[in-house]
Amino acid sequence: EPEVTQTPSHQVTQMGQEVILRCVPISNHLYFYWYRQILGQKVEFLVSFYNNEISEKSEIFDDQFSVERPDGSNFTLKIRSTKLEDSAMYFCAGRRGTAKNIQYFGAGTRLSVL
Amino acid sequence: KQEVTQIPAALSVPEGENLVLNCSFTDSAIYNLQWFRQDPGKGLTSLLLIQSSQREQTSGRLNASLDKSSGRSTLYIAASQPGDSATYLCAESNAGGTSYGKLTFGQGTILTVHP
Repeated sequence: EPEVTQTPSHQVTQMGQEVILRCVPISNHLYFYWYRQILGQKVEFLVSFYNNEISEKSEIFDDQFSVERPDGSNFTLKIRSTKLEDSAMYFCAGRRGTAKNIQYFGAGTRLSVL
Repeated sequence: KQEVTQIPAALSVPEGENLVLNCSFTDSAIYNLQWFRQDPGKGLTSLLLIQSSQREQTSGRLNASLDKSSGRSTLYIAASQPGDSATYLCAESNAGGTSYGKLTFGQGTILTVHP
């Protein structure tokens, strides 16, 4: 069964450093998402991506964040200058063409900012 | 801003018991609602998705219902097993207007099924 793959599973970085979180969505998916979950809190929406551009973003997704789908398969989330409060589990998700379809999630990347 | 609330926050039951998890939402224009399972330190596994036009969905021992008018969904688990122990999350999607189907999550119910 196809699945969403995220790498790395755990990323440790120093405050102020740039990080790139990587995702390989399921091949026939058209809509892509990033969510994050700070320890003990709700899963929060960050950004949605469709047709090679951001379709919606939350107020969390400020200028420090960017997303790309550079080669038609990988989907990346970049944090330009990490802060302590960026420490969280980051989930990539995707779905097929219509909003009737299930969103499939990856296993997540745990980001620890020291 | 849409809000999703789940009660109870935690539930502990003996094996074999039937149980109900509750989810309430404020979005009157809900498009669909998804139930997920999350094991500690792991990703989200989709269990069931209910469209706003449906009243319930079933998968094995799981049955999810949706009442749009009251803003509630329930997840019923029959004959619970220790392997059902996990956090259960509900999430609603509003695909109307400018929304591209982002999910708004509840805080989850931590379920423990003891032998």
